[in-house]
Amino acid sequence: GQNIDQPTEMTATEGAIVQINCTYQTSGFNGLFWYQQHAGEAPTFLSYNVLDGLEEKGRFSSFLSRSKGYSYLLLKELQMKDSASYLCAVDNYGQNFVFGPGTRLSVLP
Amino acid sequence: SQTIHQWPATLVQPVGSPLSLECTVEGTSNPNLYWYRQAAGRGLQLLFYSIGIGQISSEVPQNLSASRPQDRQFILSSKKLLLSDSGFYLCASEGAGGDTQYFGPGTRLTVL
Repeated sequence: GQNIDQPTEMTATEGAIVQINCTYQTSGFNGLFWYQQHAGEAPTFLSYNVLDGLEEKGRFSSFLSRSKGYSYLLLKELQMKDSASYLCAVDNYGQNFVFGPGTRLSVLP
Repeated sequence: SQTIHQWPATLVQPVGSPLSLECTVEGTSNPNLYWYRQAAGRGLQLLFYSIGIGQISSEVPQNLSASRPQDRQFILSSKKLLLSDSGFYLCASEGAGGDTQYFGPGTRLTVL
């Protein structure tokens, strides 16, 4: 079966660092993706990991460990506009992506 | 880069009425296309995906159907809507390198 787990909600303070974890169990693996989704809007692509290790993109970084079925998204220097849901998704080596339930992040002043 | 169009943006329909949502893609050819539904406060649920014209795979049994009459056109339909069909419907196209999915702006459907 396919299963992706993420925390439901997280809260952090403006300027801080937050780590959003994702664990997955899928029948295939061809890469892991993180998306940002603001309320009422479509998801937008943030990052992609297919090899183990850390990928850095400005204030956002994403880490992958394939042997552990684990990834995290790290957000630094949090801004109010980072308040959104963050979706973890696995390319299940074929035709479909499997999405996690999403983590709703609230950034407080 | 790809651009994905969806219409309508919002729709309010009575129970039992038909549905047709359209998605068109620009900037790529022969993309893999996807229909997702997102219920309020929930994750994305894959409904259908298509690897080519006339080729549709269904992920979840339901009263919805999908068709792909042209390479860059993907249509989601229903003959009779249920209350449980309410949600945010997203069309997505896989990137040329297969390294991501790009989403359309979505259609918010309310079934009353």
